[in-house]
This record gives sequence, C-alpha cells and structure tokens, in this order.
Amino acid sequence: KAGVTQTPRYLIKTRGQQVTLSCSPISGHRSVSWYQQTPGQGLQFLFEYFSETQRNKGNFPGRFSGRQFSNSRSEMNVSTLELGDSALYLCASSDWGDYGYTFGSGTRLTVV
Amino acid sequence: KQEVTQIPAALSVPEGENLVLNCSFTDSAIYNLQWFRQDPGKGLTSLLLIQSSQREQTSGRLNASLDKSSGRSTLYIAASQPGDSATYLCAGGRGSQGNLIFGKGTKLSVKP
Repeated sequence: KAGVTQTPRYLIKTRGQQVTLSCSPISGHRSVSWYQQTPGQGLQFLFEYFSETQRNKGNFPGRFSGRQFSNSRSEMNVSTLELGDSALYLCASSDWGDYGYTFGSGTRLTVV
Repeated sequence: KQEVTQIPAALSVPEGENLVLNCSFTDSAIYNLQWFRQDPGKGLTSLLLIQSSQREQTSGRLNASLDKSSGRSTLYIAASQPGDSATYLCAGGRGSQGNLIFGKGTKLSVKP
C-alpha cells in the first residue's frame, strides 16, 4: 500500500511569490490535513479536508489556503510569501481520525 | 485550549538503557493519543496509536500508555539502541475533528 506522497520535496521561492504544494493520501483515505513545522513553533495545524470540504482550520492568515479534489488529493497554496513562511510543510492522511494519521515526508519550503 | 507538553526536551542515554518519555495534555477530552518519531529533516513516522477505548499499546521494544484522567501518556523504550536516536513527538487527537495537537518533542540521543 503506497504511503502519503508529497511533492515537491524542496522549494526555494522569493518573497512575494506564491507556491502550491501537493499531497496524495493513502488510497481510500478521505481526510487530508496540513501542518507547518518550524524550529520555534513546532508543529502547527493549518487545515483539514474531508471529502472535498474544509472541516477544520487552524490559526493562520488567509494567505494560506487549500483544497481537496474528488480523488482525495489535496493542494495547499501560500500567496505573497514571507520569510517567516520558510518551514517544513507536512501533510497527513487518515481514513477517520480514530484510526490515527499517516504523514508524508514533507515539502521543505525556503523563502529568500 | 488543548496544550501538549513533553518532558524532557532532550535526553542522552547510553546504549542498552530502558527509558521513559513523558507527555501531558490539558484537555482530558482528547479522543486518542499518537506517538511519532522524526529523524532530522524527515517526516513523521507513526510508532503507536492509543485509541479512545484503549489504555496501552505495544510494538516490539516500545510500549505506550494513556491515562486520560491524569492527562498523561508515557512512551517506554526498552533496551535502547543508537538507531533509536531521533525526536519523539506525542499528539492528541479529537477524533473526527480532524487535527492533532503536538507537543514540542523529546530529542533522544542513544550513545554507543
């Protein structure tokens, strides 16, 4: 069974640009959630999608957005990048929250 | 607001020692508790999931327990090995609410 696939693995962007990250969940999983990890703040929840609907949202500015497609693949978009957006972005896949979450390898975003 | 605290923040032990990592949470309404391992620059690897109806889970040399009434979980690692060196994260889940609340982690170093 394939795991959670995140692409790309690494990105370097310039301040002010926008970026799109992709996450393909485990086959059959309908929930995809996104997290930002930084050395100072640790892992922080961005949002969660379930069957194409945003079900839960963390405390991040509106520059951070996401969506989920009918095949459960999800994308996360960050507009008007700031230096502080440099982080490891992780996505997690779940069949249902009760059964735990499986994480991808992450996308390392560097904003210069 | 749910908060998760992990103690100690860092731990260095000689190979072969048994050790305990601690995790405490403020909201006893958490549904399940998941322990992860993270190697530097990598994603999260799920180690153990304690579901809402369970008190304990075991996998190989790892044993995790959950006491909701006291707001605590422990991860016990038996006969530690250098390959166990990593950051260990605990996370509380709210089931269908779709997100995990993470502690800041315990960085474990096992010396040969």
